[in-house]
Amino acid sequence: QSALTQPASVSGSPGQSITISCTGTSSDIGGYKYVSWYQQHPGMAPKLIIYDVDSRPSGVSDRFSGSKSDNTASLTISGLQAEDEADYYCSSYTSSNTLVFGGGTKLTVL
Amino acid sequence: EVQLLESGGGLLQPGGSLRLSCAASGFTFKSFAMSWVRQAPGKGLEWVSGIIGTGGSTNYADSVKGRFTISRDNSKNTLYLQISSLRADDTAVYYCARGRGTSWYKGWDCWGQGTLVTVSS
Repeated sequence: QSALTQPASVSGSPGQSITISCTGTSSDIGGYKYVSWYQQHPGMAPKLIIYDVDSRPSGVSDRFSGSKSDNTASLTISGLQAEDEADYYCSSYTSSNTLVFGGGTKLTVL
Repeated sequence: EVQLLESGGGLLQPGGSLRLSCAASGFTFKSFAMSWVRQAPGKGLEWVSGIIGTGGSTNYADSVKGRFTISRDNSKNTLYLQISSLRADDTAVYYCARGRGTSWYKGWDCWGQGTLVTVSS
C-alpha cells in the first residue's frame, strides 16, 4: 500500500487560511469516509484534529476543517496562528483492511 | 484522565526480539480498539497494527506481517507488540494509540508518549 501524497511544506501568515491536500486512490480515500488528520509538534505525540473526513473531536478549534472530493482529502486551517506551526499527517482506511498515512506536511507560520 | 504509557524500548541487535507494552488507564480499556504506530527518526508516521477490544481480530501493515504480533490483556489494561527478527529499519519511536470506540481505523484520539526502539550492531 503506497503512502498518501501530501505537499512537503506549506506556509502562511497569521490570520490567513491554508489548505493541505492529501491524495490517494479509489482503494483508500476515494472508497471510504475514514480519513483522519493529525497535528504533531516537534518531540510530541500526534494529536487527532479531524476524523471521518470532516468531524472534529471535542476540544479541537473550529478553525480546523476537513473535506474530501473523489480521491483527495483536504485540511483547511483558517485564522492561522503561531501555535499552528507543526507537522500535519492525513490517514485513510484502505480496501486491504489496513491504514495508510500521508508523508506529512510541515506548516510554517510566517 | 486517559493515559497511555509505553515501555520496553531500547537498543537491540539485528535479528533479536522484544516486547513493547502499553499500560492504559482512565478509561474502560476492553471497550476500545487499539493500534501501534511508529515513526522512524526524522520521518513520517507509519501504521503498524490494530486490534479490536476483545482481542479477537488483528490487522498488520504488509511491512511487518509475520514478524510483529499485537495482543492485549484486558485484565491488566495492557496492550503489547511482540517484534521478532529485528531489522535496522525497525528503528523508530513506537506509539500506542486508542481507537475511537470499537474500530481501530476510524482515528485515534489518545496517544502515548512513545518508546524508542533502536536496532544496531
